[in-house]
Amino acid sequence: SAVISQKPSRDICQRGTSLTIQCQVDSQVTMMFWYRQQPGQSLTLIATANQGSEATYESGFVIDKFPISRPNLTFSTLTVSNMSPEDSSIYLCSDRTGSYNEQFFGPGTRLTVL
Amino acid sequence: GENVEQHPSTLSVQEGDSAVIKCTYSDSASNYFPWYKQELGKGPQLIIDIRSNVGEKKDQRIAVTLNKTAKHFSLHITETQPEDSAVYFCAASRVQFYFGTGTSLTVIP
Repeated sequence: SAVISQKPSRDICQRGTSLTIQCQVDSQVTMMFWYRQQPGQSLTLIATANQGSEATYESGFVIDKFPISRPNLTFSTLTVSNMSPEDSSIYLCSDRTGSYNEQFFGPGTRLTVL
Repeated sequence: GENVEQHPSTLSVQEGDSAVIKCTYSDSASNYFPWYKQELGKGPQLIIDIRSNVGEKKDQRIAVTLNKTAKHFSLHITETQPEDSAVYFCAASRVQFYFGTGTSLTVIP
């Protein structure tokens, strides 16, 4: 499987500011995704990061709040905009690779909004 | 859409005992069922998976069983060790992945 890294690993931010999270994969992958994991909860898909086009967002998530870029097949960014304490979560990047389209996750970015 | 339920939410076992986590799904079209282990401060790690054309799969101390008729699948961990302590998530997928709510497993030394 491809190795996924994320930066930053954690951050503490003030209300009203924005944070951009970077996701780097060590090989080209077709599909990349962004998930949110609220404290003690399961994983919720935010959007599919499409290379060279706008991301596809799931219900309840909008581009103005979570703009996503995917300039190439190895890199994507997720921005959490105009943050509030309710955005405090772990944000996870993932890809699908392998013979059977298995999904793998990065280490996550732990965001705390004060 | 798909609905995945996972039980129990917490599980404590003595070291050396077995642990079983169960999931049910609603969409009979789902054909791929992975299990993830998430240790504290880390991302979910794929530990085993099973496809709908197989009833059971084993990898050392972990095994997964699938009952397509009843639409449920289970993770079995034998000879548990303290390092098995983590949160475990099941998922069901045909295209999109749908995750269970997680099971926090504690192995008591």
